Amino acid sequence: DSGVTQTPKHLITATGQRVTLRCSPRSGDLSVYWYQQSLDQGLQFLIQYYNGEERAKGNILERFSAQQFPDLHSELNLSSLELGDSALYFCASSNPSRDSRLDTQYFGPGTRLTVL
Amino acid sequence: AQTVTQSQPEMSVQEAETVTLSCTYDTSESDYYLFWYKQPPSRQMILVIRQEAYKQQNATENRFSVNFQKAAKSFSLKISDSQLGDAAMYFCAYSNYGGSQGNLIFGKGTKLSVKP
Repeated sequence: DSGVTQTPKHLITATGQRVTLRCSPRSGDLSVYWYQQSLDQGLQFLIQYYNGEERAKGNILERFSAQQFPDLHSELNLSSLELGDSALYFCASSNPSRDSRLDTQYFGPGTRLTVL
Repeated sequence: AQTVTQSQPEMSVQEAETVTLSCTYDTSESDYYLFWYKQPPSRQMILVIRQEAYKQQNATENRFSVNFQKAAKSFSLKISDSQLGDAAMYFCAYSNYGGSQGNLIFGKGTKLSVKP
């Protein structure tokens, strides 16, 4: 158990709908990362938040957005869903320290999204 | 942009034997970090081992060790005394920073089967 939790585990929805994925980082971790794993694209970085602020963006679609709240949990919002958005969405967290060489990203169990 | 290549989509090893998974990467950075993550059928992403580019000594974690060749941009994973529980997808990943201040860039993965 990495200490990172994600809800829900599974989500089935229809095209055009909007969903929210939730992530609670390990206790004390300030950074949250979102990744998408699909059969054709592999594992791709979407976005990173650090202590409530967006720090880096990857291949995140404009239909997708995220935020990190004061209690450090994060939500990934996916809207106008398409069939191709079906994937496993991972959240990872880390605790940046003065010596960043000590830090590692720990992954949650993922949310499997199926768009029908 | 940095890239990570895993040229072996699938590998097989006999239980108790040794297997090596290959990974090459491309970067113009001099300071970076490399990781191997394991993804068993449960889909959980589990950190196996990490290597800091500034360290010449290869990282080891119990039965897992790496062969890091910085000039060749090669980062292979050796699994000794293979066990049935080692069967999984293995992903090589790169980060510009310590894994906490930069997102991970993943290879496509190698599926490892372990034969009893």
